[in-house]
Amino acid sequence: DAGVIQSPRHEVTEMGQEVTLRCKPISGHDYLFWYRQTMMRGLELLIYFNNNVPIDDSGMPEDRFSAKMPNASFSTLKIQPSEPRDSAVYFCASSLGVASSYEQYFGPGTRLTVT
Amino acid sequence: SQELEQSPQSLIVQEGKNLTINCTSSKTLYGLYWYKQKYGEGLIFLMMLQKGGEEKSHEKITAKLDEKKQQSSLHITASQPSHAGIYLCGAGGGNNRLAFGKGNQVVVIP
Repeated sequence: DAGVIQSPRHEVTEMGQEVTLRCKPISGHDYLFWYRQTMMRGLELLIYFNNNVPIDDSGMPEDRFSAKMPNASFSTLKIQPSEPRDSAVYFCASSLGVASSYEQYFGPGTRLTVT
Repeated sequence: SQELEQSPQSLIVQEGKNLTINCTSSKTLYGLYWYKQKYGEGLIFLMMLQKGGEEKSHEKITAKLDEKKQQSSLHITASQPSHAGIYLCGAGGGNNRLAFGKGNQVVVIP
């Protein structure tokens, strides 16, 4: 298996532009997670899906952030409009089951820079 | 919400020396995960501990979850440059949200 795939690996954009991050989870994994990592706040959970349905989006910073999972093999995280404070590394992870019992497999991340 | 504190924040060791890093939780741990991250890369799963007193080993890395299930330690024996990186502990708080500590940065000097 290729593991969790994320694209792009790096994204540089100007403030106010729309940014779309993409993720392909490991086949057969029912859970998909989006995280954001910064030096100040560490790794934070933004949202997670179970069987393509968003379950908990309480970590999404504000309405500028949205996530979708149209099918079991694809998810997007969109930021519109982007701001410099959104600069971070965004990770996608997938797992077979709940967080307390199953390990999560992480993608390589997308490093987002908003100027 | 569950908070995880990792200590020390960073440490530098000579190759061949042993090292121990710790992860302390503000609440009882339901599933404690150790991950390793290298700069610019994703997290690599190392081990998962679930039962109080549980201890697991992989190659030269040993992790243990204490009896009260609020602290875990990760020990590396005879460290090598390949052990360098950031070690992150993550824990499930019972609500399927995995909380992570800020990480332990390990530098191994040849």
